[in-house]
Amino acid sequence: GAGVSQTPSNKVTEKGKYVELRCDPISGHTALYWYRQSLGQGPEFLIYFQGTGAADDSGLPNDRFFAVRPEGSVSTLKIQRTERGDSAVYLCASSSKRISTDTQYFGPGTRLTVL
Amino acid sequence: SQQGEEDPQALSIQEGENATMNCSYKTSINNLQWYRQNSGRGLVHLILIRSNEREKHSGRLRVTLDTSKKSSSLLITASRAADTASYFCATDALGGGTSYGKLTFGQGTILTVHP
Repeated sequence: GAGVSQTPSNKVTEKGKYVELRCDPISGHTALYWYRQSLGQGPEFLIYFQGTGAADDSGLPNDRFFAVRPEGSVSTLKIQRTERGDSAVYLCASSSKRISTDTQYFGPGTRLTVL
Repeated sequence: SQQGEEDPQALSIQEGENATMNCSYKTSINNLQWYRQNSGRGLVHLILIRSNEREKHSGRLRVTLDTSKKSSSLLITASRAADTASYFCATDALGGGTSYGKLTFGQGTILTVHP
């Protein structure tokens, strides 16, 4: 009965490095979302997958950010040439579009720190 | 960008008192949701109210929605120290009659309940 899981829970990297953040959604959930939360703020939408395809990537801040979901389950958020301003908690959520509740279930997040 | 504005930014009460948090938003919505977050990590879904509903209850929670004023309130009755957390409203924008599932969060209200 696992919920949404995210790995790693914490990631410390140096400016300019590449990082990958992983999200395992609830089994059977077709919709997957990535959000970013800066300190003292609410989460901000990054990208939404329906199945394998990115249905809405309008929240990605620039072309250093990319996300994939090749088999319609696990998703990876990739950040190239990290900058200090990328430091935040990255949250993943999933939902089942087969029922009408529209509830998104969030993972615990990955705290990214760019030094 | 944050659509919602929450009021107050911080609220401090004694155990047993009621806590009321307000949220305003800007665009037409499919539904509005309230989430709770402890220690800056995992978001927990509390309650969802659809645009055609005016009031909803769940245990000690009561949510109202006024679409004409584009505002919502969350009332927690008989508060407990364990209710101490940040509370966020999130709107699911309406587009073409369907839900995008893309949530826009407010900046949150920090609730502290003193034992």
